[in-house]
Amino acid sequence: DVKVTQSSRYLVKRTGEKVFLECVQDMDHENMFWYRQDPGLGLRLIYFSYDVKMKEKGDIPEGYSVSREKKERFSLILESASTNQTSMYLCASSSGLLSYEQYFGPGTRLTVT
Amino acid sequence: GENVEQHPSTLSVQEGDSAVIKCTYSDSASNYFPWYKQELGKRPQLIIDIRSNVGEKKDQRIAVTLNKTAKHFSLHITETQPEDSAVYFCAALSPYSGNTGKLIFGQGTTLQVKP
Repeated sequence: DVKVTQSSRYLVKRTGEKVFLECVQDMDHENMFWYRQDPGLGLRLIYFSYDVKMKEKGDIPEGYSVSREKKERFSLILESASTNQTSMYLCASSSGLLSYEQYFGPGTRLTVT
Repeated sequence: GENVEQHPSTLSVQEGDSAVIKCTYSDSASNYFPWYKQELGKRPQLIIDIRSNVGEKKDQRIAVTLNKTAKHFSLHITETQPEDSAVYFCAALSPYSGNTGKLIFGQGTTLQVKP
């Protein structure tokens, strides 16, 4: 059974702080993704990674960066948090070769005050 | 650019009725179309998918149809039950992303099934 975990369910940070969101998957998946979910806007892709140290921008990368030093771990970094980054952040992974199904983590509800 | 439009944004039906959610995709080279269900407070999960070499796929009370010419696909839920209440997302595989599995998601449909 695929398991995708995220470091925090709820997080409250102040404007200007550096924020780290971590995601870990245990199925040796090649691909990992970070989305943000806002009402009425669906799931918007921030960044994704198809291999260790490989990353590509998604649709809304501004204000974010990512790191993938190990295959199982994909981190999302908010360099200087702003109030408009208050959102639900979802991580996902997929094998890519055998299946395109994405397995999602439980989400992190980030509030920036 | 790559885009998926999903309608309606909200849908309310009586228990036992059918529900239909429609999506349109922009790139004719897309060849994989999944549907995800997200119950309140939970993570999205795949419920059904279809590839472009198939016109229809069924799994018990849910079915997906694909019209490649018109570039649209639909989710059909028959005999709806209260537990079908959730947000449903359609998606299309980006045809230019190799094996990265990048999906383009629609905006989501909130389905409410009234008992």
